[in-house]
Amino acid sequence: AQSVTQPDIHITVSEGASLELRCNYSYGATPYLFWYVQSPGQGLQLLLKYFSGDTLVQGIKGFEAEFKRSQSSFNLRKPSVHWSDAAEYFCAVGRGGTSYGKLTFGQGTILTVHP
Amino acid sequence: NAGVTQTPKFQVLKTGQSMTLQCAQDMNHNSMYWYRQDPGMGLRLIYYSASEGTTDKGEVPNGYNVSRLNKREFSLRLESAAPSQTSVYFCASNYRQGSTGELFFGEGSRLTVL
Repeated sequence: AQSVTQPDIHITVSEGASLELRCNYSYGATPYLFWYVQSPGQGLQLLLKYFSGDTLVQGIKGFEAEFKRSQSSFNLRKPSVHWSDAAEYFCAVGRGGTSYGKLTFGQGTILTVHP
Repeated sequence: NAGVTQTPKFQVLKTGQSMTLQCAQDMNHNSMYWYRQDPGMGLRLIYYSASEGTTDKGEVPNGYNVSRLNKREFSLRLESAAPSQTSVYFCASNYRQGSTGELFFGEGSRLTVL
């Protein structure tokens, strides 16, 4: 069975600092990987996705993520955090193909940004 | 363009009561999904509908039923609510299975069962 682990429940950074959110997955085949962001009281918005090809993917709002097959990781990064990035972030894995929308989510990482 | 709309946004039930969560999308998507979100557990798939006229169980289907009323609408029903069903419920849709289209989520329905 597929699974996703986000080791950090809560991360606090200062505005302008760099950010890395960790995501490890367990999956038996080539995974489809996603990062979503959820602002308080809102639904989830897709930040970026990896299906194949270049292992470094760019997303919206200046985020990027790197797929490392050898480490089963898909960590999210941003070089300089803005106060508006404060939210909860979810990593998810799927099988693609006919199961595209059937995602397994991690537990989420809450990001707090200090001014 | 409203995207994915869920109603109601908030609901309080007593144990044993029934209710239906409504979801509608205006993006002409074929596939629709119901997830629940609980603290520390991320989102878990309850049921999904790959296309109009089909529904399938997800990871946590017990205690729920669904209806794909037409291409736009996908409802989730709790026949006899239990406190364990207190959660935030999200409806989502995407273009079609087999595509790489992203999932679009509604804003959620917060349900409390007393």
